Amino acid sequence: QQQVKQSPQSLIVQKGGISIINCAYENTAFDYFPWYQQFPGKGPALLIAIRPDVSEKKEGRFTISFNKSAKQFSLHIMDSQPGDSATYFCAAARGSTLGRLYFGRGTQLTVWP
Amino acid sequence: EAGVAQSPRYKIIEKRQSVAFWCNPISGHATLYWYQQILGQGPKLLIQFQNNGVVDDSQLPKDRFSAERLKGVDSTLKIQPAKLEDSAVYLCASSSGTSGRLIYEQYFGPGTRLTVT
Repeated sequence: QQQVKQSPQSLIVQKGGISIINCAYENTAFDYFPWYQQFPGKGPALLIAIRPDVSEKKEGRFTISFNKSAKQFSLHIMDSQPGDSATYFCAAARGSTLGRLYFGRGTQLTVWP
Repeated sequence: EAGVAQSPRYKIIEKRQSVAFWCNPISGHATLYWYQQILGQGPKLLIQFQNNGVVDDSQLPKDRFSAERLKGVDSTLKIQPAKLEDSAVYLCASSSGTSGRLIYEQYFGPGTRLTVT
């Protein structure tokens, strides 16, 4: 079964707008939540990650918000740019599985100029 | 620092044929992963190595898939015989650590796109 559920499947945002992608999980043993960015023909690249002991992490225009009680986390892209157009994957991992990542199905983001 | 290298980039075979993919991880990275990414889905782990040893192959279809990691560095993934549903991108990733934060920071190669006809 899908361990991490991601929405929306696709997202269209105007340049300068805020892109928001949501993920939910069930397994409370997960202790690491990364976001990956993938461009066509490339492998996924680690964008930003968070642990459940913090509620928010910001790196440049990218912010992860984490809600432990709701078992949800989200990626916010501020001032979205056409170069941000890519597929974004959320993922989750737990220490007992030695680094195995469980990925969401992905969100295809298109930023219009 | 050179990234994860994979070859070939594309492969087209007929069902029931065999195919092999090669991966060279980032130098010094102890942990190596093979993922399968079906179109429209996120990557799914097939097998994970730490140095020479397999630590997780629970999702590997062992009747047709096999993998090895030579001297704790390069790795090959083989499919024999291939089925139509094996059409996917096969991604190799590596991480520098064997536990904690470093094992989670995985660096992916560009992948091999396999088409089975």
